[in-house]
Amino acid sequence: DAGITQSPRHKVTETGTPVTLRCHQTENHRYMYWYRQDPGHGLRLIHYSYGVKDTDKGEVSDGYSVSRSKTEDFLLTLESATSSQTSVYFCAISDGVRWTDTQYFGPGTRLTVL
Amino acid sequence: AQTVTQSQPEMSVQEAETVTLSCTYDTSESDYYLFWYKQPPSRQMILVIRQEAYKQQNATENRFSVNFQKAAKSFSLKISDSQLGDAAMYFCAYKGDDKIIFGKGTRLHILP
Repeated sequence: DAGITQSPRHKVTETGTPVTLRCHQTENHRYMYWYRQDPGHGLRLIHYSYGVKDTDKGEVSDGYSVSRSKTEDFLLTLESATSSQTSVYFCAISDGVRWTDTQYFGPGTRLTVL
Repeated sequence: AQTVTQSQPEMSVQEAETVTLSCTYDTSESDYYLFWYKQPPSRQMILVIRQEAYKQQNATENRFSVNFQKAAKSFSLKISDSQLGDAAMYFCAYKGDDKIIFGKGTRLHILP
């Protein structure tokens, strides 16, 4: 199994509070991704990173920011959480140097915004 | 814009039988990759199989195989000798030049 951990695994927060989710990998892979999973939508890409300090937006990036200061860590921040951001968040990494390489997923974080 | 469609929200199959999950996609790109992922109740996303569009040969991983028809933009997953542990959500995914698109999933039930 790819060495990917996510923290926290569960979080309940209130509307308007900032939230940061962490993805940590031990594989030294170049690409890292953040997705959200909602019923009826499958997985949707929020942001991805192709190297330290190199990030780009995905399909549903509004309301989210990311940072990658080290190869192994990719942080997802909700500056001011809203109820529409209640979701399950998955981090993924790619096992190669190309964008199209296979992704491996972390265990997920369930976020509830009240 | 690229799209991925899984037309079967749910399917059931008898244990030890064969089942095929369908996936169609739309793209104008010629070079891309297709994946099937399995998500059991634990929620962990697990790679099942991968297909490079430039390869004509269908990918196979043990009991899992695909029927890749590039001209028809179809990428179905066949599971042979279904086992109880195959029960899960299955997601088809397209990875193109700058896009990753997942289908909405097919929930597969295995009947003992």
